[in-house]
Amino acid sequence: DAGVIQSPRHEVTEMGQEVTLRCKPISGHNSLFWYRQTMMRGLELLIYFNNNVPIDDSGMPEDRFSAKMPNASFSTLKIQPSEPRDSAVYFCASSLDGNSPLHFGNGTRLTVT
Amino acid sequence: QKEVEQNSGPLSVPEGAIASLNCTYSDRGSQSFFWYRQYSGKSPELIMSIYSNGDKEDGRFTAQLNKASQYVSLLIRDSQPSDSATYLCAVKNSGGYQKVTFGTGTKLQVIP
Repeated sequence: DAGVIQSPRHEVTEMGQEVTLRCKPISGHNSLFWYRQTMMRGLELLIYFNNNVPIDDSGMPEDRFSAKMPNASFSTLKIQPSEPRDSAVYFCASSLDGNSPLHFGNGTRLTVT
Repeated sequence: QKEVEQNSGPLSVPEGAIASLNCTYSDRGSQSFFWYRQYSGKSPELIMSIYSNGDKEDGRFTAQLNKASQYVSLLIRDSQPSDSATYLCAVKNSGGYQKVTFGTGTKLQVIP
């Protein structure tokens, strides 16, 4: 079991640039979650998918953020244009079904200068 | 009112003592509850899941759930320095789809 795989592990970019974060969920899991973690706000749910369909994106902070899940094994979170306040650790997590716990990837540490 | 509330700590306990971590939640219909441990710079890892009122034990860890009081706790017996981490309470909201909300976490320090 390879676990949830995220890439890149670290991303440093300049304000205004486009950033794309990638996630491969655990095979067979039908739900995928994107979270953002900061010291001030903790773990915030940005968006989650069920069977590749976005269910709730109310946590996406602005139109600069978008997420896709074109198939069961891949999801992206895109920030365009990026801003310094987007600096955080972004986690992807997946779960098997409605009552199962989440399994987290190693996260992407994003720094926007 | 926050959906999931935890005392941020830090909670300091001596090695060998019992650490008690508490969490309250606002969604009365919630059915699934999880405790995660997060070491600094690492991702959250699952410790316990609990779905029914009462206690659930797994090794040195015991999760306690009281749905009437909207309260869930985690007890760590015989605390070890390696238990020093931030502990996150997570609640799956009621409804058809599984939105999972996390508390801000309690930092535990086990003093040798």
